Amino acid sequence: KNEVEQSPQNLTAQEGEFITINCSYSVGISALHWLQQHPGGGIVSLFMLSSGKKKHGRLIATINIQEKHSSLHITASHPRDSAVYICAVSRPGAGSYQLTFGKGTKLSVIP
Amino acid sequence: NAGVMQNPRHLVRRRGQEARLRCSPMKGHSHVYWYRQLPEEGLKFMVYLQKENIIDESGMPKERFSAEFPKEGPSILRIQQVVRGDSAAYFCASSPGASGGYEQYFGPGTRLTVT
Repeated sequence: KNEVEQSPQNLTAQEGEFITINCSYSVGISALHWLQQHPGGGIVSLFMLSSGKKKHGRLIATINIQEKHSSLHITASHPRDSAVYICAVSRPGAGSYQLTFGKGTKLSVIP
Repeated sequence: NAGVMQNPRHLVRRRGQEARLRCSPMKGHSHVYWYRQLPEEGLKFMVYLQKENIIDESGMPKERFSAEFPKEGPSILRIQQVVRGDSAAYFCASSPGASGGYEQYFGPGTRLTVT
């Protein structure tokens, strides 16, 4: 079993829909990261969080440390949101820099 | 403030040749990380460097791969005698470290194709 699991693997939505991507992890962490990767493109860090909730524009990330679960929400989705969204965790202590990644959720937003 | 820069963006090598991938961290960042993304697979940690020091290379293949981050200039990931299985996207990230924090900022990646 992977230490970081994402669901769904693939997601297709109509423009304007509210989208949720889930991430579960099985290890102790110091922080959880949400990243965005466009096709053939680089990786953009969206959020780094260790508790609670963060919001940036139409993106919201939440984390529940007790349940070892995080969600990434996109409100009023747009075709330009189409990308792969990757969840990653960093461990506490000396290895805190080393990220362990989920396999990503491929999101397609249709006009 | 320029972001993390990687070059080349695309690199084609024949089997047996050497590949050199460069990463210039963000200004003020002294920590560099290399990751590999194989086709249809997730990202995997390779190595973590600070200036002139390799801190953790536990994710590096034991042979043919090496990395450095000299006092001056970019970090280099070097792959000797490349094989088809080395074809992947290689991403570099940087962070300030210490009091500046460890949030990692990623570069655009280098896509290596071995023919």
